[in-house]
Amino acid sequence: DAGITQSPRHKVTETGTPVTLRCHQTENHRYMYWYRQDPGHGLRLIHYSYGVKDTDKGEVSDGYSVSRSKTEDFLLTLESATSSQTSVYFCAISEFPGQGVHEQYFGPGTRLTVT
Amino acid sequence: AQSVTQLDSHVSVSEGTPVLLRCNYSSSYSPSLFWYVQHPNKGLQLLLKYTSAATLVKGINGFEAEFKKSETSFHLTKPSAHMSDAAEYFCVVSDPGGSSYKLIFGSGTRLLVRP
Repeated sequence: DAGITQSPRHKVTETGTPVTLRCHQTENHRYMYWYRQDPGHGLRLIHYSYGVKDTDKGEVSDGYSVSRSKTEDFLLTLESATSSQTSVYFCAISEFPGQGVHEQYFGPGTRLTVT
Repeated sequence: AQSVTQLDSHVSVSEGTPVLLRCNYSSSYSPSLFWYVQHPNKGLQLLLKYTSAATLVKGINGFEAEFKKSETSFHLTKPSAHMSDAAEYFCVVSDPGGSSYKLIFGSGTRLLVRP
């Protein structure tokens, strides 16, 4: 298994509170991604990073921010959590997408419940 | 824009019988295609990937998929289902746009294996 950990693995929080999820990798891969998984939607990209301090938005970025100060860590922050952000969040990593096939490797997920 | 459609949300088979999970894609590029598997309360694991080197791709645990450009399909098959194959399966296409190779997920097919 790729060396990807996510913390916390489970969290329950109240509406309006800030929440930060952490993804840590030991593979030294350049690219990191945050997805959310909801029934019937597969996985949807929230934000991704293509290097330290280099990030960009995915298809469902509203209400989320990210930061990457080190190669190995990628943080996802919900500035003010809402019930619609109740979901399972997955982090993924991939090597620099030069020539070839660009598979991603996934962490174990964080289950977030916003009450 | 790239997209992927998984034609069945649920598939039920008996142990020992063949498995067929259907996937159609839409792509204006020469696509990279993947199948991922997710066991209950686990992260996603790469089953196989299409690299354009061969249209029949073999993956882990006896699964294989055939890329058919004329039909824009990438169906996943296995000759004989095991109880341990019960999981959710995602067909994924890579979108080589911008500064990252994003993954576009299908909505998933849940495979049930009956004893």
